[in-house]
Amino acid sequence: AQKVTQAQTEISVVEKEDVTLDCVYETRDTTYYLFWYKQPPSGELVFLIRRNSFDEQNEISGRYSWNFQKSTSSFNFTITASQVVDSAVYFCALSEERSGGSNYKLTFGKGTLLTVNP
Amino acid sequence: NAGVTQTPKFQVLKTGQSMTLQCAQDMNHEYMSWYRQDPGMGLRLIHYSVGAGITDQGEVPNGYNVSRSTTEDFPLRLLSAAPSQTSVYFCASSYSKAYNEKLFFGSGTQLSVL
Repeated sequence: AQKVTQAQTEISVVEKEDVTLDCVYETRDTTYYLFWYKQPPSGELVFLIRRNSFDEQNEISGRYSWNFQKSTSSFNFTITASQVVDSAVYFCALSEERSGGSNYKLTFGKGTLLTVNP
Repeated sequence: NAGVTQTPKFQVLKTGQSMTLQCAQDMNHEYMSWYRQDPGMGLRLIHYSVGAGITDQGEVPNGYNVSRSTTEDFPLRLLSAAPSQTSVYFCASSYSKAYNEKLFFGSGTQLSVL
């Protein structure tokens, strides 16, 4: 069964601290995609990154980095030198292709609320 | 660019009332979907559409209807609102129905059913 677990419900850090948001997934497929979305206090979800199951290369984008490890079924997200503007709910999601390619199944984790205090 | 536009932003209904949540996108996206977000539950898929005239059920479709008469619009109808439908609703679209596409979300509709 397809499942995404974000065990950290809430995290609170002080500005400039590094913070890692965990994401563990379950799937029987060998081909899938993983995503991270950010939901700031304004409410709108924003796409951050997409990674396919064949690409385990880590990615860095400014203060954001992602560590994908198939061996542990994890796709963790690290914010370096956190800022108040990073305060948001972060969702990890798993997408698998269904048979026939007519649609797909996208499963979201329950989200992690990150609060960065000044 | 407007992106994905949802209206209204807030709505209060009485049990048994009906209403339609509007969603429109101006990106010529093939795929559109509706999610509901509840505390501690993440986002759950209600209905989706892979093109005009084609809709299908998601994870939690009961109590909701959809239609897709044009590429741009994908309204969500609550036929007889129930308190269990109190939630935040998001419309999302993507360029294609492929499973690797990123989603573009609207700003959400906060619905309360009394």
